[in-house]
Amino acid sequence: GAGVSQTPSNKVTEKGKYVELRCDPISGHTALYWYRQSLGQGPEFLIYFQGTGAADDSGLPNDRFFAVRPEGSVSTLKIQRTERGDSAVYLCASSLAGGGHEQFFGPGTRLTVL
Amino acid sequence: GQQVMQIPQYQHVQEGEDFTTYCNSSTTLSNIQWYKQRPGGHPVFLIQLVKSGEVKKQKRLTFQFGEAKKNSSLHITATQTTDVGTYFCGTGSNYKLTFGKGTLLTVNP
Repeated sequence: GAGVSQTPSNKVTEKGKYVELRCDPISGHTALYWYRQSLGQGPEFLIYFQGTGAADDSGLPNDRFFAVRPEGSVSTLKIQRTERGDSAVYLCASSLAGGGHEQFFGPGTRLTVL
Repeated sequence: GQQVMQIPQYQHVQEGEDFTTYCNSSTTLSNIQWYKQRPGGHPVFLIQLVKSGEVKKQKRLTFQFGEAKKNSSLHITATQTTDVGTYFCGTGSNYKLTFGKGTLLTVNP
């Protein structure tokens, strides 16, 4: 594909449920990032992958959040026991490599926890 | 980690007026990236500044990085309705971008 794709575009779930958000980066991009954006705020860093490994997961708010990228391409962000405070737009971005390269953002997944 | 403050939070202009948004930090920044996010859209990369005192232009947009590398600005000359959106600055020592809260620009036609 031409850009970063994310599915689903919208996800509504109930408090306590488990959700998975998928990101398909630009082909050939080794670096992949997850951000969370709340209304009126800038994107907030969650986790960075270089290849298959999570190089930095310091932005994950707690152990309910987990992300994988098993083959170094598609990534899945997993949220267990969702809370209302998890409601936000989850953005995925990719770049050719880490280290200050331009990041290409996907359209995001809007997560609403009821 | 590095943090950046953006001002103003909101700016409303008449079409044709100029617009400037500022990105400030209390610490020296390794770089500044600017992104634009249209309403309902996702951030789109505009530019990266790395050198002290650097100035870059893209048509009606002028980006500056301060001499002390503690601040940056984005100036739009003669705004158009297509300039509407939120402009974010972001900084990172390597790969991890920390974004400001952004400046929301609205343009009255």
